[in-house]
Amino acid sequence: GAGVSQSPSNKVTEKGKDVELRCDPISGHTALYWYRQSLGQGLEFLIYFQGNSAPDKSGLPSDRFSAERTGGSVSTLTIQRTQQEDSAVYLCASSRGGGPSVDTQYFGPGTRLTVL
Amino acid sequence: QKEVEQDPGPLSVPEGAIVSLNCTYSNSAFQYFMWYRQYSRKGPELLMYTYSSGNKEDGRFTAQVDKSSKYISLFIRDSQPSDSATYLCAMSADTGFQKLVFGTGTRLLVSP
Repeated sequence: GAGVSQSPSNKVTEKGKDVELRCDPISGHTALYWYRQSLGQGLEFLIYFQGNSAPDKSGLPSDRFSAERTGGSVSTLTIQRTQQEDSAVYLCASSRGGGPSVDTQYFGPGTRLTVL
Repeated sequence: QKEVEQDPGPLSVPEGAIVSLNCTYSNSAFQYFMWYRQYSRKGPELLMYTYSSGNKEDGRFTAQVDKSSKYISLFIRDSQPSDSATYLCAMSADTGFQKLVFGTGTRLLVSP
């Protein structure tokens, strides 16, 4: 079966532009996560969705960052007025969600964002 | 100070060597411990997870957790060139929602 897919795989933009990053989770996975991986840094949690709701968006670094999820499936991460420090790989993961046991997160290949 | 510390490497070993990868952490609430492997330009994939202290073995991989020392390890026996990747430790205090806190990753290079 298909894994988590993300698009675009690479995005180069100019400072000040808005960008949208897309994530298609594994079919049937109710939980979806966004992480950011900067050079020399570990994965940094951004936001978590359970269904279409985001009970934890504590990792979003500023109000320029927003995310939504529709139909309990596809999610979009939007960065407005991009800055050079936003350059990073943005990773999406999904999991079955909702259970008390360890819930394996499956990652997509990421979107490499470069802000010039 | 970061919640999870991990030596970035690179760690270079010859094929067949035993590899030891480690992380230390500061949050005593962490109870789930995971190791992810990430190949270049790919997303991380889960290798192993353990709950609380103890050892867990899966083939050539062994994960150890020492909660009293806040120290976790991943051992790779008979390392292969295909093991060359970045290894990330991750931890969580949550039982349902796995809000993972990651280390920076250790880059491993296994030479033939």
